Amino acid sequence: NAGVMQNPRHLVRRRGQEARLRCSPMKGHSHVYWYRQLPEEGLKFMVYLQKENIIDESGMPKERFSAEFPKEGPSILRIQQVVRGDSAAYFCASSPPSEAIPGTEAFFGQGTRLTVV
Amino acid sequence: AQSVTQLGSHVSVSEGALVLLRCNYSSSVPPYLFWYVQYPNQGLQLLLKYTSAATLVKGINGFEAEFKKSETSFHLTKPSAHMRDAAEYFCAVTLNRDDKIIFGKGTRLHILP
Repeated sequence: NAGVMQNPRHLVRRRGQEARLRCSPMKGHSHVYWYRQLPEEGLKFMVYLQKENIIDESGMPKERFSAEFPKEGPSILRIQQVVRGDSAAYFCASSPPSEAIPGTEAFFGQGTRLTVV
Repeated sequence: AQSVTQLGSHVSVSEGALVLLRCNYSSSVPPYLFWYVQYPNQGLQLLLKYTSAATLVKGINGFEAEFKKSETSFHLTKPSAHMRDAAEYFCAVTLNRDDKIIFGKGTRLHILP
């Protein structure tokens, strides 16, 4: 069973370009989380999705950021018109339905390090 | 809403000394609590979790944590630090029923030779 797969591991974008970050959850996991990590700031929750549904996007910036988790395929975090302040490590995590295993932990990918130049 | 507070963004201990990383939580209902470790340029790896089965939880790499409801704490300990324990440690909380996992700001553990 492969772990959570994120790609690319490193992404460089010029200001104004779009960044697309992909996350394939573990097999059997229907819940996906995206977190952003800035140096010395820890992990900030961005969005929580289930298949075809956004459950909680309270941590997403109001503009330029969007996320999806389609019925088929990976979850995508999309950042339009990137700015230097978007440079960070973006982590995806997945978990099975909580009804299946109450209190289950989230399993993390290796992250995508976005650098905006 | 639930939250966690980690006291001390940096903690230094000598090799062989006791490791104590502090975490206090806030939750209106009994929570599930986790400790994760992050090595440089890596993702997060689960160390241990509390799911109400036992208040003293043992994890990997010799770490353990004790859930104390009266103190709303879930501190992480290890009797004897090793150089390989140098990493960043995150405390996290979630409620049941599809709630998101909320992380503390992390504590960077430095091991002194």
